[in-house]
Amino acid sequence: GESVGLHLPTLSVQEGDNSIINCAYSNSASDYFIWYKQESGKGPQFIIDIRSNMDKRQGQRVTVLLNKTVKHLSLQIAATQPGDSAVYFCAENLASGGSYIPTFGRGTSLIVHP
Amino acid sequence: EPEVTQTPSHQVTQMGQEVILRCVPISNHLYFYWYRQILGQKVEFLVSFYNNEISEKSEIFDDQFSVERPDGSNFTLKIRSTKLEDSAMYFCASSLRRTSGLTDTQYFGPGTRLTVL
Repeated sequence: GESVGLHLPTLSVQEGDNSIINCAYSNSASDYFIWYKQESGKGPQFIIDIRSNMDKRQGQRVTVLLNKTVKHLSLQIAATQPGDSAVYFCAENLASGGSYIPTFGRGTSLIVHP
Repeated sequence: EPEVTQTPSHQVTQMGQEVILRCVPISNHLYFYWYRQILGQKVEFLVSFYNNEISEKSEIFDDQFSVERPDGSNFTLKIRSTKLEDSAMYFCASSLRRTSGLTDTQYFGPGTRLTVL
């Protein structure tokens, strides 16, 4: 879930563990979802996406799961590394005029301890 | 690997002054975007731009904001009369034109931190 104020939810894991980051989205009509990684001082970086006609998609060390029934998205990172430490947030997208307009969540701070 | 660049990295301005934030999108991309992120808050969509005109804009993008693609490489965001609450990170992004069956992945620049005093 999301926190009030400036403090983000935080997930602390040990290097080598698997990480699961969750996201609840708001619009049942959203049909395209993206996970972003944002390192300190940098812009969001695309990690993986999934369309609403899928419930699972795998990338390199990452898997996204989509549960449309409860409007929930998760990002699984296998064998988490210190370089994975960042803020992760999901974006739900509605198609509009030929382009997707995203609505972002506030994010979860992932801290990977060596 | 091609990337989106933004200048300046940090802009400090007085309330009421005009600022122009600059972006160079990835060269073969056709859709351009501006977002802002107030410290500790969500990234918020401001505007999308395609074929030299605004495609979509949010409620945040009021008459104080304007965008322009003055030449073949730059994409700018102008704030005419800055307010204290305009202080934020401003991110530019670009994407390939979305075609049937392909995703519309947006690539973000590193951002410009705007501080309004």
